[in-house]
Order: sequence, then structure tokens, then C-alpha cells
Amino acid sequence: NAGVMQNPRHLVRRRGQEARLRCSPMKGHSHVYWYRQLPEEGLKFMVYLQKENIIDESGMPKERFSAEFPKEGPSILRIQQVVRGDSAAYFCASSPWTEANTGELFFGEGSRLTVL
Amino acid sequence: DQQVKQNSPSLSVQEGRISILNCDYTNSMFDYFLWYKKYPAEGPTFLISISSIKDKNEDGRFTVFLNKSAKHLSLHIVPSQPGDSAVYFCAASDSGAGSYQLTFGKGTKLSVIP
Repeated sequence: NAGVMQNPRHLVRRRGQEARLRCSPMKGHSHVYWYRQLPEEGLKFMVYLQKENIIDESGMPKERFSAEFPKEGPSILRIQQVVRGDSAAYFCASSPWTEANTGELFFGEGSRLTVL
Repeated sequence: DQQVKQNSPSLSVQEGRISILNCDYTNSMFDYFLWYKKYPAEGPTFLISISSIKDKNEDGRFTVFLNKSAKHLSLHIVPSQPGDSAVYFCAASDSGAGSYQLTFGKGTKLSVIP
């Protein structure tokens, strides 16, 4: 009974490179959320996706960041031309539905991005 | 602009005693409040929640109290156990904006001393 699976757990990139973070939701969950935790901060909402659709990307920076959740395969958070300020823990969460969703999200273990 | 504040970065409690973690919020549109627990190198795990129409919710050793007029909530753990040592995040959501958009505090690190 696997939970939310994220990989890689740790990723090191140099400034200007691209970072790709992957997330497989819990079995039976079709809603995926990405949150970012900067050092010494709480988690901040970035984007909410369902299969093949971005539902809400209001928390995502307008440039360099993109997310997708294809029909097949994991959700991917992509950061182009990374900068040092992108260094953070990126958490993916999933849930089974939203109508009755009360924010009880199931989080993965996170992907820690370090930009040199 | 921090809408959810946890003013105590850390708290130490003796095993068997009560742990009280506090949280304040500023956004009056928040109508659902949650506590998440996080161990090092793991993701946050949902612990307990409360709707704004209630002032108390209890689940075993964990009780959350909500004071809407003061925009304050607290998590009580009784009795505290060493396994409760973790970082506790308070979170809130506005169902009108999307319950999935949780606004988190910075967390309180609880240490339960055996």
C-alpha cells in the first residue's frame, strides 16, 4: 500500500540548469498538489492538478516553473534555469476527491533541491 | 504577510505531561484548520482538524481548540510521549478559495523528554 512517491529525494543542480521532480500519487488518488518549503518557512501551495489538467496554479511563480500530470505516468514539476533561491524542499500531496476535501492531504517525503 | 503564525519555534515537555501548541491566524475567511506532524526527512502527516463551526475536536490523546473571536487555535497532547517529538504545523484553508490551498505556519518543534 504505497503512499505518495516522490523522486529524486535529493537533487543538486548548478545555476541555469533544469530540475525535474516527479510525483506518483497514492493509488486511487487523482488529485495532485505541489507545495514548496523554503528554509525556516512553512509549506506554501504552488499548484493543483488533475489528470491532464491544471486546476489552480495561483501559487506557482510565473516564470521558469511548470507542472503537468499526464494521462499516464507521474506528475512532474519542472524548474528551468534554476537559481539559488529555488533551493527548497518540494512536497507533493494527493487526495481522492475535492468536493468533500477538507485539506486532509497525503504528502510524500519531499524532494530536496539544492542549487549551487 | 504571514496569515498563520506559530510564535513558538520550539517546546520541551516532560513525558506524561500536557503539550500545548499554539497557532494564531489573521484571515477571517479561513474556515477549516488542521494540524500536521512532521518527522525529519519525511513529509507532513495529517493529525487532526477542526471546522470553524466547532470549538473543540478530540481524537484520542489529541484535542484541538478553536477560539474564533481571538483567531486562535491550540493543539493539546495528553499525555505526551517521546514518539510525539516532531515538528507540528498549523494550517488553515478557505473553502471558498479551495480547501486544498492550505496556508501553513512555520512550525513548532516539540521535544518530549523521557
